[in-house]
Amino acid sequence: DADVTQTPRNRITKTGKRIMLECSQTKGHDRMYWYRQDPGLGLRLIYYSFDVKDINKGEISDGYSVSRQAQAKFSLSLESAIPNQTALYFCATSDSQRSSYEQYFGPGTRLTVT
Amino acid sequence: DQQVKQNSPSLSVQEGRISILNCDYTNSMFDYFLWYKKYPAEGPTFLISISSIKDKNEDGRFTVFLNKSAKHLSLHIVPSQPGDSAVYFCAASPSGTYKYIFGTGTRLKVLA
Repeated sequence: DADVTQTPRNRITKTGKRIMLECSQTKGHDRMYWYRQDPGLGLRLIYYSFDVKDINKGEISDGYSVSRQAQAKFSLSLESAIPNQTALYFCATSDSQRSSYEQYFGPGTRLTVT
Repeated sequence: DQQVKQNSPSLSVQEGRISILNCDYTNSMFDYFLWYKKYPAEGPTFLISISSIKDKNEDGRFTVFLNKSAKHLSLHIVPSQPGDSAVYFCAASPSGTYKYIFGTGTRLKVLA
């Protein structure tokens, strides 16, 4: 089984709809992140959380919100989706107990807003 | 303002030869650098990293070089294999933040 899972894997929604992307991990890591990938722009950080009670905005948080329901779960919400939020979304985790900074990514959610 | 830049969107290399992927950064507060590989329809996977206290780190066929004065790092893959064909992202983290700034990626194609 995958260590970092994302649901759904693909989603098409209409402008103005609310949508939630979910991320779960079995790695036991305390840190979790949400990124979006756009062609030619690489990965950009939306929100990150270093533990259940810690939520921080990233580079591009406008139009998004998150919830850290448990150490293993981190959800990303688009309250009112707009077409320029069409992108590939990745969840990632890392472990504060390790000296290395490496992150482990989920397989991604492809979101299309029409 | 792009703090981490990968100026080559794509690179083609013959199998068995060396692949060199480059990354430049502007923020002198970055003290840890990572390379990730991404295949289509998958998330990025960690490849190799380097701390700013080093100038080289090697792991099998992969070597990362860091030139702090030039704010430049490079990933060398020797020998290149067709399975190395992927998009490679460099990422940098400012000291103690555990936040990561990614470059735009370089698509490597290794020709058999």
